[in-house]
Amino acid sequence: ETGVTQSPTHLIKTRGQQVTLRCSSQSGHNTVSWYQQALGQGPQFIFQYYREEENGRGNFPPRFSGLQFPNYSSELNVNALELDDSALYLCASSLPNNEQFFGPGTRLTVL
Amino acid sequence: EDQVTQSPEALRLQEGESSSLNCSYTVSGLRGLFWYRQDPGKGPEFLFTLYSAGEEKEKERLKATLTKKESFLHITAPKPEDSATYLCAVQSQPQKLVFGQGTRLTINP
Repeated sequence: ETGVTQSPTHLIKTRGQQVTLRCSSQSGHNTVSWYQQALGQGPQFIFQYYREEENGRGNFPPRFSGLQFPNYSSELNVNALELDDSALYLCASSLPNNEQFFGPGTRLTVL
Repeated sequence: EDQVTQSPEALRLQEGESSSLNCSYTVSGLRGLFWYRQDPGKGPEFLFTLYSAGEEKEKERLKATLTKKESFLHITAPKPEDSATYLCAVQSQPQKLVFGQGTRLTINP
């Protein structure tokens, strides 16, 4: 059974740039959730995708957007990067309403 | 709004010294309470799900319990490899988990 994978591992961008983060779900899972984790804090929910549709969103501005593909992999896009966007971005896959299993994360640094 | 508060923020124990971590929550209709372990720079690792007050689950040296207002993660005779940040999360809406800030646990040999 393949676990959740994310790419890239680390990323450095400058303010105003755009970034795309990628996630491959665990085998058999059709739901993907994205979280932002600042240093020393718990993860914060960004949004969730189910069957290629956004299925819930946290308190994040529209410049955070996502996609889910037919193979259940997913992308998180962030436009107009700000310094406060520096964080660990976590992807979690699950079956609907079941336990969420997290990937290793992508560390984004915005300079 | 759902809220989760974990205490203490950090805990240092000697190897073999048992203790408990606390997770207090307020939620409008609990669908599940989750415990995760997170090592530095890595994603959270799923440990337990609890659904109703009175429920308990165990895994090796860890035991999680749930009441209507809080959950405890009991660690019995811990080893240095149990050092990690332990995260608690609640689910009231189908889509999202609301996490606490975590308890950073250090076990000294």
